[in-house]
Amino acid sequence: GQSLEQPSEVTAVEGAIVQINCTYQTSGFYGLSWYQQHDGGAPTFLSYNALDGLEETGRFSSFLSRSDSYGYLLLQELQMKDSASYFCAVGISGNTPLVFGKGTRLSVIA
Amino acid sequence: DTAVSQTPKYLVTQMGNDKSIKCEQNLGHDTMYWYKQDSKKFLKIMFSYNNKELIINETVPNRFSPKSPDKAHLNLHINSLELGDSAVYFCASDRGGYGYTFGSGTRLTVV
Repeated sequence: GQSLEQPSEVTAVEGAIVQINCTYQTSGFYGLSWYQQHDGGAPTFLSYNALDGLEETGRFSSFLSRSDSYGYLLLQELQMKDSASYFCAVGISGNTPLVFGKGTRLSVIA
Repeated sequence: DTAVSQTPKYLVTQMGNDKSIKCEQNLGHDTMYWYKQDSKKFLKIMFSYNNKELIINETVPNRFSPKSPDKAHLNLHINSLELGDSAVYFCASDRGGYGYTFGSGTRLTVV
């Protein structure tokens, strides 16, 4: 089966930096994606890594190490509106749907 | 313009009823999906369609039947609803490596 592990909850202070880790064990690997979901809302795409290294998009960055089957999402200058659930997701191949982790609930406190 | 639209947003119904959820995307994508999100927020794939053809049907009860009249629409019909079907159902469209665009979701409550 496919397995993605990420922490269930993280709490961080407004203005700080937080890292959400994701490790995966899958039968194939095509890329690692990250999604944000606010309570009552839909998941929204944040970033995608197909190759090793860091991808930066504004305050958010995502990292991938394929040899370690590991990635992380880095959120800088945290804002209250960043309080949400964050999901990592793996593409097993180009023709199969994403497999999602169980999500990390991030709470940003003042 | 909404990229992926789902209707209805809320659906409350009794056990044993049959209901449908509609999904439409105006992004021109070839691939669409149905995901189920349970109370613990776990997103599980149900169906995958590529250009109107079903390409994956995960272990979903056959009470669930997807229908795709054209590549912009992917509807979900559910027969004989059960309490365990209560969840949020998301339709998604595939940008091909640039991420999925999800619909706003349908919260189904079976009573």
